[in-house]
Amino acid sequence: KAGVTQTPRYLIKTRGQQVTLSCSPISGHRSVSWYQQTPGQGLQFLFEYFSETQRNKGNFPGRFSGRQFSNSRSEMNVSTLELGDSALYLCASSSDRMNTGELFFGEGSRLTVL
Amino acid sequence: AQSVTQPDIHITVSEGASLELRCNYSYGATPYLFWYVQSPGQGLQLLLKYFSGDTLVQGIKGFEAEFKRSQSSFNLRKPSVHWSDAAEYFCAVVARSNFGNEKLTFGTGTRLTIIP
Repeated sequence: KAGVTQTPRYLIKTRGQQVTLSCSPISGHRSVSWYQQTPGQGLQFLFEYFSETQRNKGNFPGRFSGRQFSNSRSEMNVSTLELGDSALYLCASSSDRMNTGELFFGEGSRLTVL
Repeated sequence: AQSVTQPDIHITVSEGASLELRCNYSYGATPYLFWYVQSPGQGLQLLLKYFSGDTLVQGIKGFEAEFKRSQSSFNLRKPSVHWSDAAEYFCAVVARSNFGNEKLTFGTGTRLTIIP
């Protein structure tokens, strides 16, 4: 069974640009969560989708958005990039109908904002 | 809101020595508790979990953890570490509520270095 796949793995953007990251969950998993990981703030929860509906949301500004498609693939978008958005963005999938915390993580998309 | 504290930022252990990583949580009810591991350049992998029942849980790679309600702790242990255990370890909690479960909240992590 293929794991969680995130694309692209690495990308470099400049301030003010926008970026879209993609996540393909494990086959059969309907929940997808996104996390931002930085050395200073650690792992911060962005949002979670289940069956195309946002089920939970973290404390990030509206520049951060996401969506989930009918095949459970998910994308997150960051608009008007700031230097502080440089981070490893991790996607995780789960088969849980209720969020019990058993997540399967991808290797992440490392975003550098110049 | 629930929170997780990992008091040790960095721990160095000799190969073959025993290991204990500390984790304390803050929540009124019994939470779901987890340990995840992240190797350099990788995503996170679930080591073990505690939902209920036996307070000593076994995980992958020879790790175990013990839930102690009286101390609000869920410490991770391994009797003998291997060089491949060098990684960052995260304790995490999902707090249950009457309205459904909440998001997974991670501690700040403990970086484990293994010396020969």
